[in-house]
Amino acid sequence: GAVVSQHPSWVICKSGTSVKIECRSLDFQATTMFWYRQFPKQSLMLMATSNEGSKATYEQGVEKDKFLINHASLTLSTLTVTSAHPEDSSFYICSANLLGGYTFGSGTRLTVV
Amino acid sequence: AQSVTQLDSQVPVFEEAPVELRCNYSSSVSVYLFWYVQYPNQGLQLLLKYLSGSTLVKGINGFEAEFNKSQTSFHLRKPSVHISDTAEYFCAVSSNTGNQFYFGTGTSLTVIP
Repeated sequence: GAVVSQHPSWVICKSGTSVKIECRSLDFQATTMFWYRQFPKQSLMLMATSNEGSKATYEQGVEKDKFLINHASLTLSTLTVTSAHPEDSSFYICSANLLGGYTFGSGTRLTVV
Repeated sequence: AQSVTQLDSQVPVFEEAPVELRCNYSSSVSVYLFWYVQYPNQGLQLLLKYLSGSTLVKGINGFEAEFNKSQTSFHLRKPSVHISDTAEYFCAVSSNTGNQFYFGTGTSLTVIP
């Protein structure tokens, strides 16, 4: 079946540094990918929709300059958290839209210290 | 737009007992409905989905759900739970164009030995 590979699975970084998270579709082409953020004991909140070859669409309240999304190919989308701060610590998950459903990556646990 | 309500944030149940996790949705258009399971620090795994056809949908791990259009519900059921079913369960809805995905707030299922 369709697989979305997300890396890294966890990362710890210092406050003020940037972190890049990759999301790859392994056996299919994903023209659209979605990035979610999940705080402890809460649901997944859509951050942005990543479209191959064009600018991402951000949800209201999500800072586009802080969460940089690049979808340069049909199999790779990246989310870069720039100048990370402790409040950015969260679980980030990507997904790709397939006909009749969505496939999710395994998630990235980001801890900013 | 669509929205999802999961009425129970926590559901404790004894091992081998039946369980029902409730989900209601609202939408002005035809929808697709999904249930996902999330184990600690992991991504989401699809349990089952309703796209069209039979309103009773069977999924993995012995789970099933019934789409009730008149009650706008999609409750998840399992006749006999195991310890390994302890996890967070998310109901989700998308329009039949599949452009966006909306999650419920999740239900934490705890199976008690």
